[in-house]
Amino acid sequence: TAGITQAPTSQILAAGRSMTLRCTQDMRHNAMYWYRQDLGLGLRLIHYSNTAGTTGKGEVPDGYSVSRANTDDFPLTLASAVPSQTSVYFCASSVGRASEQFFGPGTRLTVL
Amino acid sequence: GENVGLHLPTLSVQEGDNSIINCAYSNSASDYFIWYKQESGKGPQFIIDIRSNMDKRQGQRVTVLLNKTVKHLSLQIAATQPGDSAVYFCAENNPGRRALTFGSGTRLQVQP
Repeated sequence: TAGITQAPTSQILAAGRSMTLRCTQDMRHNAMYWYRQDLGLGLRLIHYSNTAGTTGKGEVPDGYSVSRANTDDFPLTLASAVPSQTSVYFCASSVGRASEQFFGPGTRLTVL
Repeated sequence: GENVGLHLPTLSVQEGDNSIINCAYSNSASDYFIWYKQESGKGPQFIIDIRSNMDKRQGQRVTVLLNKTVKHLSLQIAATQPGDSAVYFCAENNPGRRALTFGSGTRLQVQP
């Protein structure tokens, strides 16, 4: 079982360009999440989805959008990247909201 | 406001000693707590969890203690090994919030 996968592993992106970070889980979890992790700031929630077809905003949603067309996939899109979006992005999933979250390996994004 | 924080940003211990990592939380409504371990370059990995109706839970070499009176959570690692070197995060679930809230992390360094 793969668990939760993310792609790409890392990316360098020019400011102003768009990009989609991919996340797929094979555990049939209802809930999925996107976090960014910056040095000294821990994990901050960007967007979440409690079930397929629904999404919600987290702590730091500006500049990001998500979709949840099916249970397995939860892509994160940066429409017009800015240098402050340089970070490590983690996708996670859980059976429900108040349960253990399983994390992907992360995507390291650098915006120049 | 709500806060999940850690008392010590870096903890250095000798191999074989016991380690104690602490976490304070401010929301008395939180009903579920998790400890995660994050090794360099990897996503957070579940260690152990505890629900608010318990005050202690044990796993393999790890114990989580919950003191609801002072809103304090701790992770005890017995016979610390070099492989335990990582950043440890606590997370809490507040039923009124969208997802888990993570602390900023404590780095555990195990000296051989």
